[in-house]
Amino acid sequence: GQQVMQIPQYQHVQEGEDFTTYCNSSTTLSNIQWYKQRPGGHPVFLIQLVKSGEVKKQKRLTFQFGEAKKNSSLHITATQTTDVGTYFCAGPTGDSWGKLQFGAGTQVVVTP
Amino acid sequence: DAGITQSPRHKVTETGTPVTLRCHQTENHRYMYWYRQDPGHGLRLIHYSYGVKDTDKGEVSDGYSVSRSKTEDFLLTLESATSSQTSVYFCAISESSPEGLTNYGYTFGSGTRLTVV
Repeated sequence: GQQVMQIPQYQHVQEGEDFTTYCNSSTTLSNIQWYKQRPGGHPVFLIQLVKSGEVKKQKRLTFQFGEAKKNSSLHITATQTTDVGTYFCAGPTGDSWGKLQFGAGTQVVVTP
Repeated sequence: DAGITQSPRHKVTETGTPVTLRCHQTENHRYMYWYRQDPGHGLRLIHYSYGVKDTDKGEVSDGYSVSRSKTEDFLLTLESATSSQTSVYFCAISESSPEGLTNYGYTFGSGTRLTVV
């Protein structure tokens, strides 16, 4: 079945630095979604990418969908303590009625 | 998020007892999902529903059953709780299928932390 993999599993970042987390699917995706979960909280939808090569920005966050629609990345510039949390990517499984396959997430820890 | 609530928020139960978790939405969304979250495993789908009385199994459905008799309620039952079912359970709702190109993503409830002793 479809597999969605994220790397790295953990990311320690100094405040002010940039970092990137990656998401790879074993199959071509119709779209990809990103979620953020703060410690002790629930996942919150950030964005959906649909088109091949699509790039979207949300303030310091830049999301990219690969040309082959099998991978995606999230780049955060000038990391702040508010960026702490786990970032998940998710893609539709392609089954009828549809459901999302989530990656295992990248846990981000920010050091002041 | 407003529009989706889970109950209870915390529960401790004994091995072998049945447990029911409730998810209630006021958004009139068609799709509802139950996930469990465990360290190192991310979010794993237990069961989902694509309409009233229309449900199907996810990747980790053994030991769980669901019911959806009304649009707004999706119940998850652990038929005979085991220690391996100690987890955080999240309900999610979606207005459209994730295959949709104008999807607004899932909205998650605040979760239920279940401990089986």
